[in-house]
Order: sequence, then C-alpha cells, then structure tokens
Amino acid sequence: AQSVTQPDIHITVSEGASLELRCNYSYGATPYLFWYVQSPGQGLQLLLKYFSGDTLVQGIKGFEAEFKRSQSSFNLRKPSVHWSDAAEYFCAVALNDMRFGAGTRLTVKP
Amino acid sequence: NAGVTQTPKFQVLKTGQSMTLQCAQDMNHEYMSWYRQDPGMGLRLIHYSVGAGITDQGEVPNGYNVSRSTTEDFPLRLLSAAPSQTSVYFCATRSQGLNTEAFFGQGTRLTVV
Repeated sequence: AQSVTQPDIHITVSEGASLELRCNYSYGATPYLFWYVQSPGQGLQLLLKYFSGDTLVQGIKGFEAEFKRSQSSFNLRKPSVHWSDAAEYFCAVALNDMRFGAGTRLTVKP
Repeated sequence: NAGVTQTPKFQVLKTGQSMTLQCAQDMNHEYMSWYRQDPGMGLRLIHYSVGAGITDQGEVPNGYNVSRSTTEDFPLRLLSAAPSQTSVYFCATRSQGLNTEAFFGQGTRLTVV
C-alpha cells in the first residue's frame, strides 16, 4: 500500500545541536517529495521540495533534505537548531494527489 | 491578495447537524483539496479537485461531500455531523503539476458534541 512514514512522533534536541527528521515512503514510482512545518495554531509552510536532479536540496530557515532512492527516504536535516524551530514537521509526497506523514513534533531545549 | 481563506475559524455542532466549511482562493490555482488533522495522524486527505466540475475522493471521504462549481471556491459539506468528525480542517490549493507547492488556509477547528 502507498504510504508515507515518519517514524519519530516526538524529538527533543538542545539548542545548537544538529537535527535529523526521518521520512520514508512506499510508492510504486518515485513521487515528488516535500517537507512542511507547522507552528502552533497555524497552517503549513513549505520548507523544501524535491522532484529531480541533485539529491540534496536546500530549503528555507537553514534546512536541507537528502533524497535516497535506494532507501526510499527523504530525511530533513539542520546543522544547528534554534529555539524558534520548535514546531511540527510533516513529510509529504505527491503522485496523484498530496499525502502527508503523521508528523514529528520537535521540542528545543535551551 | 488573501491567498487561501477558510471560514469559519471555529465551529461547534451538535450530532446530526449539517454545515458547510468554506474555502476560497484568489491564486487562480486549479487544484484544491481538503484535509483533516488529528493528533498523531497527520493530515489525511478527504476530497480533492483538479479543476472546476471535477472532484475525487481521498483517504477519508465518508461523511463529507464536495463540489467545485468555480475555480475559486471548494466548499466541504458535513451532511450529518458525528463526534468522530471533530477535527481541524485545512483547505489547500496548488497550481497544476505534482511538483508544485501547496498553500494552506489557517484551518477550521470543528467540535461535534
């Protein structure tokens, strides 16, 4: 079955530490891939997207993601987390329509 | 330029009541969709439309109806509300093409008692 999996429901990191949020997909073909962020009480904002070319994509707010076809993964990374990065992060895929993972809530410790 | 506008922002319904969640966009996007967001389940696609007059079901369509008579509007109807429909609902739009960004409204928080 087609699916998008974010294995980590909640992650806590210290401010200044590095971050990696995992995303795996299960589709027959390589879908278009996205990462969105949602701050409390807000809608979703696009961080970055991948659909072809260089497998390392840069996004806003210092985020990047790497597409690995062999692992069906599209993990989000940031070298140094800021307190303002605390939010919920969603991986999404688009094939016929856009589907989202369950989300990873990020808490940043001072 | 308002982008994607959802109304109302909050709503409380009694079981069995009907209502329509409104979504309007001024971005001239052809693709519109409705999602519901529940804790631990992310956003699940209810219905979507690739253009005026065309709608299709998503992952969780039961209990919801949609229509798309214009490019700008994509209302979501609950015919007989149930407590299981308590959720936050988001409308999203995209221009044509699967690699395009989705733009979201601010959401409607619906409680069914």
